[in-house]
Amino acid sequence: SQQGEEDPQALSIQEGENATMNCSYKTSINNLQWYRQNSGRGLVHLILIRSNEREKHSGRLRVTLDTSKKSSSLLITASRAADTASYFCATSSNNNDMRFGAGTRLTVKP
Amino acid sequence: GAVVSQHPSWVICKSGTSVKIECRSLDFQATTMFWYRQFPKQSLMLMATSNEGSKATYEQGVEKDKFLINHASLTLSTLTVTSAHPEDSSFYICSARDRTIFYEQYFGPGTRLTVT
Repeated sequence: SQQGEEDPQALSIQEGENATMNCSYKTSINNLQWYRQNSGRGLVHLILIRSNEREKHSGRLRVTLDTSKKSSSLLITASRAADTASYFCATSSNNNDMRFGAGTRLTVKP
Repeated sequence: GAVVSQHPSWVICKSGTSVKIECRSLDFQATTMFWYRQFPKQSLMLMATSNEGSKATYEQGVEKDKFLINHASLTLSTLTVTSAHPEDSSFYICSARDRTIFYEQYFGPGTRLTVT
């Protein structure tokens, strides 16, 4: 079963704009990860944030984690057409299997 | 970096036949491997967790007799879809957890199964 929900389900923006995607989950977690998936392809790991961390940066990516609200956000700044993909959050709990959110389909228009 | 391979990358089979998908950790030992299924425009759904040398643990709603999982070594797990039907057509993705880095999980590139 999936761990939680992501919103929006789909997001369409212009190149250069920022994109924000949110992820909510249901149970306590050890860490949360964000992945990108191009259509019909495998997963690309973007960033991992541990439960005791609140914010993490990697290049144009910024991830926040609010364990009190059981939510996370992924911000992509200065988006590019190549960022067009589906983005998934995935949580790991004590049993350490990974559960995925529903995903956000991002379209960046040139 | 850690690499997980899957074979085949795509397969087409006829309804009623069985298909085996392999998942290998190429440069690390994986005590635990996970199998996911992804339908078009949907998320990844965990099907089962397999530990080396023991029986797989299946998620609720996943038929263990239909999706046979074998994890015979620290670098290989196989998923066999038995008596495949068109509704089994999906993208199957495996992942492997490095035995030395407990929280790291590495994903394979996926296998697209089409049942005609």
